[in-house]
Amino acid sequence: GAVVSQHPSRVICKSGTSVKIECRSLDFQATTMFWYRQFPKKSLMLMATSNEGSKATYEQGVEKDKFLINHASLTLSTLTVTSAHPEDSSFYICSARHLGGETQYFGPGTRLLVL
Amino acid sequence: AQRVTQPEKLLSVFKGAPVELKCNYSYSGSPELFWYVQYSRQRLQLLLRHISRESIKGFTADLNKGETSFHLKKPFAQEEDSAMYYCALRGNSGNTPLVFGKGTRLSVIA
Repeated sequence: GAVVSQHPSRVICKSGTSVKIECRSLDFQATTMFWYRQFPKKSLMLMATSNEGSKATYEQGVEKDKFLINHASLTLSTLTVTSAHPEDSSFYICSARHLGGETQYFGPGTRLLVL
Repeated sequence: AQRVTQPEKLLSVFKGAPVELKCNYSYSGSPELFWYVQYSRQRLQLLLRHISRESIKGFTADLNKGETSFHLKKPFAQEEDSAMYYCALRGNSGNTPLVFGKGTRLSVIA
């Protein structure tokens, strides 16, 4: 089956620094990748949708200058949390889908803790 | 607007008892409905989708357009069914993402 990986699995950083999270589709070409954020005991909140080679589409209320998304290849998308603050601490999950596919495959998530 | 509602945060049942996890949705067109499951310390994975009309691990879900519901059912719960269950919806226009409900934690008691 299709596998999506994320790196790192967890990261702790100081307030004000930037953190990059990678999402890779290991055995398929992901024309579309999605980034979600999950708060404790809450549902997954869609942050943005990215198509390979084009700018990401951000959901309302998500700051595109703070959460930089790059989908430079068919197997890699990155989410960079810039100038991180403690309130950015969360669980970030990526999901990938191939062209014409119906199923979204999910990565294991990255837990970010900003001190 | 798309919306998925799962009214129960937690559902506890005894082993062997029937299970029904409720899901209602709001969407103006004809959506695609899914159930995802997340076992402890594992990633989200697809359980089933309405277009397949299949039974996975004994679970079934029927899309009721009149009631805008997609409840997940299993006649006899097993301990290994304990997990977090998310109902999700995807619109049928373009490259739309999944929108999730808040999830229901199922606890099957031995």
